[in-house]
Amino acid sequence: DAGITQSPRYKITETGRQVTLMCHQTWSHSYMFWYRQDLGHGLRLIYYSAAADITDKGEVPDGYVVSRSKTENFPLTLESATRSQTSVYFCASSASTDTQYFGPGTRLTVL
Amino acid sequence: AQSVTQLGSHVSVSEGALVLLRCNYSSSVPPYLFWYVQYPNQGLQLLLKYTTGATLVKGINGFEAEFKKSETSFHLTKPSAHMSDAAEYFCAVSVQGAQKLVFGQGTRLTINP
Repeated sequence: DAGITQSPRYKITETGRQVTLMCHQTWSHSYMFWYRQDLGHGLRLIYYSAAADITDKGEVPDGYVVSRSKTENFPLTLESATRSQTSVYFCASSASTDTQYFGPGTRLTVL
Repeated sequence: AQSVTQLGSHVSVSEGALVLLRCNYSSSVPPYLFWYVQYPNQGLQLLLKYTTGATLVKGINGFEAEFKKSETSFHLTKPSAHMSDAAEYFCAVSVQGAQKLVFGQGTRLTINP
């Protein structure tokens, strides 16, 4: 189906483990984004990508790694998960300089 | 740098009453402004946006917002609230030609029967 999907939708992991959150879009949008949503903070940008093989840091990049080898995929990796990374993670994509389209989110719990 | 302030983390109105959600922004250059809605356990959905042109912008589900440069505001309104409007609403700003959105903290709208 067309759109933007995220997997898994729910994930529980332990401190110190590596976790990868997947994001896939079928629109061939150039831009992709990762946000985290925490109570009282709204959404904060972690990383974004303007095209395949081009990524840049957002507001809160520490502890996260991204890659974009293909236009349609933009995985987010937590190399060594910490409790402070417990959050809801949203992926988004955009074709132009305005509207971003959001995925359904991944709820991550780090124990 | 851009920033967004949403006044009121929780707003409660009666069904049929006016909905007013406040958003003020800070930007040193002409902004693009957005309102997104998030229903429980879902992603964000665009309600409306202002880029250039007409300052009164109409969106989906009967919502509208007015860009007021002199007040640096972009308040969201709906004349008559419906139970289905209960959700969290986010105001966001970006600058022309840029991709990064800066979000406000969100306002949770509750509709009382």
